Amino acid sequence: NAGVTQTPKFQVLKTGQSMTLQCAQDMNHEYMSWYRQDPGMGLRLIHYSVGAGITDQGEVPNGYNVSRSTTEDFPLRLLSAAPSQTSVYFCASTRQAYNEQFFGPGTRLTVL
Amino acid sequence: AQKITQTQPGMFVQEKEAVTLDCTYDTSDPSYGLFWYKQPSSGEMIFLIYQGSYDQQNATEGRYSLNFQKARKSANLVISASQLGDSAMYFCAMRSPGFQKLVFGTGTRLLVSP
Repeated sequence: NAGVTQTPKFQVLKTGQSMTLQCAQDMNHEYMSWYRQDPGMGLRLIHYSVGAGITDQGEVPNGYNVSRSTTEDFPLRLLSAAPSQTSVYFCASTRQAYNEQFFGPGTRLTVL
Repeated sequence: AQKITQTQPGMFVQEKEAVTLDCTYDTSDPSYGLFWYKQPSSGEMIFLIYQGSYDQQNATEGRYSLNFQKARKSANLVISASQLGDSAMYFCAMRSPGFQKLVFGTGTRLLVSP
């Protein structure tokens, strides 16, 4: 049981490049979320999904796209990276009956 | 809108002593959940403890307890008998009802000294 996995662990992009951060969970959780963590600001919700085919915006969605074609996967896409998107990105999953959100190990992204 | 406030950017405690990390929250929802997470220097988010808004008793998990004062809208984390491995960032978070979204505070960095 791998839990929540994220790839890559580290990534450096140039301004304007696009990329996809991968997130997968093998626990059959309905809910999945993406957060970003910036110094002094805690974690902020980017996008979330309550099931396959259903996504919605969080607190800071601009510059990011998501899709949820399967229960297991919830990729986060940066269409045109900007230096302001330099951050640590966490994916999380849970079930409605659970109190705990399970976090992935994070992806550290630097945009030059 | 929901909001979590952690007013202590840093706390220092000696090994084996107890420490309280403060958390206040604001919400208009009658049903909510409160969480504490630990983030060591390695970066992962570790779930510590949960308190539901309708729970009558304060939550406890080993050396962690949550001092829940609903009228004051506070949910302080108490760590008893601190250990060197407790040195980390600690985040308080609130879950909005119906969805598994978390709103986080800015965190408190705890340093445990020998």
